[in-house]
Amino acid sequence: GQNIDQPTEMTATEGAIVQINCTYQTSGFNGLFWYQQHAGEAPTFLSYNVLDGLEEKGRFSSFLSRSKGYSYLLLKELQMKDSASYLCAVKGGATNKLIFGTGTLLAVQP
Amino acid sequence: DAGVIQSPRHEVTEMGQEVTLRCKPISGHDYLFWYRQTMMRGLELLIYFNNNVPIDDSGMPEDRFSAKMPNASFSTLKIQPSEPRDSAVYFCASSLGLANTGELFFGEGSRLTVL
Repeated sequence: GQNIDQPTEMTATEGAIVQINCTYQTSGFNGLFWYQQHAGEAPTFLSYNVLDGLEEKGRFSSFLSRSKGYSYLLLKELQMKDSASYLCAVKGGATNKLIFGTGTLLAVQP
Repeated sequence: DAGVIQSPRHEVTEMGQEVTLRCKPISGHDYLFWYRQTMMRGLELLIYFNNNVPIDDSGMPEDRFSAKMPNASFSTLKIQPSEPRDSAVYFCASSLGLANTGELFFGEGSRLTVL
């Protein structure tokens, strides 16, 4: 089966940097995704990693280590609008399905 | 281009009633997913289709739940009979292939409350 762990909540200060960690276990790994979900809204795609290393996209970066079953999402120059839930998701298993973690609720404070 | 369209956005029903949720995926997308989200369990995959064929329905809770995709532009998720524990937000998502990134595009969700 597939299993994903990430912290439930985090708090950070506007303008700072925050790192949200995700560990996973899966067979047939075929990619790791990060999604952002604001309260009352649908998840939206942030990043995708399938090879080891860092993918950078503006203020957001995502890192993957397949051997460690580990990823992190790095948010720089935090803004109030970054307050949201961040969902780690892994694609894999026998049917290559996308399974989500329970999400990390990030609160950005002034 | 229109995104994934779900209806109804909100539904309140009584235990035992039949509930039908509807989804129109993005035109041209060949994968369609139904997820359920609750505070306790997060976002759970219920079932997904490829080219209208169910690929993995292992997440469907029990026989009370059924999903169909009669054509490339329409899918339904039916709960019969509904129970209070089915209360959740049900998301439909679509994607173009799984060979590439397979980014999922989500609809706005259907919030179901079963009394």
